[in-house]
Amino acid sequence: GQNIDQPTEMTATEGAIVQINCTYQTSGFNGLFWYQQHAGEAPTFLSYNVLDGLEEKGRFSSFLSRSKGYSYLLLKELQMKDSASYLCAVRKTGGFKTIFGAGTRLFVKA
Amino acid sequence: DTEVTQTPKHLVMGMTNKKSLKCEQHMGHRAMYWYKQKAKKPPELMFVYSYEKLSINESVPSRFSPECPNSSLLNLHLHALQPEDSALYLCASSQVGEDEAFFGQGTRLTVV
Repeated sequence: GQNIDQPTEMTATEGAIVQINCTYQTSGFNGLFWYQQHAGEAPTFLSYNVLDGLEEKGRFSSFLSRSKGYSYLLLKELQMKDSASYLCAVRKTGGFKTIFGAGTRLFVKA
Repeated sequence: DTEVTQTPKHLVMGMTNKKSLKCEQHMGHRAMYWYKQKAKKPPELMFVYSYEKLSINESVPSRFSPECPNSSLLNLHLHALQPEDSALYLCASSQVGEDEAFFGQGTRLTVV
């Protein structure tokens, strides 16, 4: 079976740091994605981790531990425009199949 | 050009209508995808085309019929849909075997 868990909602303050966690259980793992999706818009790619460790890209960093089935997305220096849903998605081995988690709705307040 | 273009942006159709959703990309991507997304839910994979051939069909009802006429275009033909099929339909593309998938803005479909 497969299961991807993320918190449903989080609230953080402008300028702060927030960490969004994702745990997964899948049969076959070939990488983990983070996407950002504003309401009514398409998802946009943020990061892809296939090896353990931390990948940093500007204000966004993503971490993966394959042995623990765990990832997090770290957002620094939060801005109001970062209010969006953040989707964790796992690519399965053997093809193109990517399974999305339910997403975490992040609210950034002033 | 890093765009995936979907048309129409909005579509209202009756349960006896036949309509088509269109998706176009000019990034040279040879993998194209259809996803369905209900409100406050994650995208759910429907179909994947690789090199213009259908490689994944996630047990989607036959009232949805995909077509990939060439490497830049992906269509989704709709016939005899149900109100529960109302959703945002997202098209995406990627290089085969590569990380990043680019999503179109979606077609918001309402079945009445």
